Amino acid sequence: NAGVTQTPKFRVLKTGQSMTLLCAQDMNHEYMYWYRQDPGMGLRLIHYSVGEGTTAKGEVPDGYNVSRLKKQNFLLGLESAAPSQTSVYFCASSYRSGGLYNEQFFGPGTRLTVL
Amino acid sequence: AQSVTQPDIHITVSEGASLELRCNYSYGATPYLFWYVQSPGQGLQLLLKYFSGDTLVQGIKGFEAEFKRSQSSFNLRKPSVHWSDAAEYFCAVVIQGAQKLVFGQGTRLTINP
Repeated sequence: NAGVTQTPKFRVLKTGQSMTLLCAQDMNHEYMYWYRQDPGMGLRLIHYSVGEGTTAKGEVPDGYNVSRLKKQNFLLGLESAAPSQTSVYFCASSYRSGGLYNEQFFGPGTRLTVL
Repeated sequence: AQSVTQPDIHITVSEGASLELRCNYSYGATPYLFWYVQSPGQGLQLLLKYFSGDTLVQGIKGFEAEFKRSQSSFNLRKPSVHWSDAAEYFCAVVIQGAQKLVFGQGTRLTINP
């Protein structure tokens, strides 16, 4: 049982490049989330999904897109990377029952640098 | 605005000493509160949560937290810290109307040997 895994662990991009971050969970969770973590700002929600085929915007969605084609995977895309998107990105998942009141299980993070 | 604040960015304590990390929330209704811990290079892990009932909540790793409505606080405590407790700690609150979980800025804990 791997829990929540994220690929890649590290990435350096140039401004304007695109990339996709992959999150996978093997706990059969319905809810999945993408956060970014910046110094002194805690975690901020980018997008989330309450089930396969559904996504919704979080607090800071601009510049990002997501897809949830399979229940176990949640992809975060950057179409045209900007230096302001330099951050550590965390994926999380949780059971549907109870929604946000449930414990969220986090992946180890992806450190992204945009030059 | 509804929010959660952790006033201390960085705290240093000696191994074996007691610990209290502060968390204050700004929310009109009954809050649903969490404490998460992030060890270096890892994701967050839930320590404990408060929804209702007993205001003193026990969590994993010997941590506890006390909800005080009159002070809008949910402080995390541990009687005696271990070197392995060095990590960053996040308080979080569910904003029910907005259906979102809001995290505080985090408190980094350093343990002196």
